[in-house]
Amino acid sequence: GAVVSQHPSWVICKSGTSVKIECRSLDFQATTMFWYRQFPKQSLMLMATSNEGSKATYEQGVEKDKFLINHASLTLSTLTVTSAHPEDSSFYICSQGGGNYEQYFGPGTRLTVT
Amino acid sequence: KQEVTQIPAALSVPEGENLVLNCSFTDSAIYNLQWFRQDPGKGLTSLLLIQSSQREQTSGRLNASLDKSSGRSTLYIAASQPGDSATYLCVPGNSGYALNFGKGTSLLVTP
Repeated sequence: GAVVSQHPSWVICKSGTSVKIECRSLDFQATTMFWYRQFPKQSLMLMATSNEGSKATYEQGVEKDKFLINHASLTLSTLTVTSAHPEDSSFYICSQGGGNYEQYFGPGTRLTVT
Repeated sequence: KQEVTQIPAALSVPEGENLVLNCSFTDSAIYNLQWFRQDPGKGLTSLLLIQSSQREQTSGRLNASLDKSSGRSTLYIAASQPGDSATYLCVPGNSGYALNFGKGTSLLVTP
């Protein structure tokens, strides 16, 4: 399957600052990438679908002005958490869409906002 | 909205046992169903992908079956090992990509 990397793997930031998380497809060109959030002991929740060269599609309840997604190339999508607050502390995971609608997930980014 | 239920929620077994993990979903109009494993604090690893036209898929000690009409899938793990300890997620895809996650089954295989 495809290999997806995320950077950073963990980050601690102060409340009010912005954090950028990168999701990179290492061996496959991905026109579609997905961003998920997972709170402790909870299911993965889809935040948005990122399409290369166009605006991301956000799920209901996800603020697009707070979670900025950029998918400027076929191998890179970024998620920027703007004006982060402690309640944004979570595990953020991206995935890449592959053939037959299979998904390949990155290793995740642990965000802690203090 | 697709609802996914996995039973049991948690399972602890000694190594060597054959296991059955059950999954049910409410909307049978799916394109596919994917089984993943998630290790604590990690991302997801794809185990098996079953297309809606298929009945089962096998990979090594893993076998997944799909009964689309009844909204059920089962993951069989043969000869379980401690390295199989993880959370197993059954994820049906209604619009192509599998996007509907439940809480999974947390498996612990003890030596």
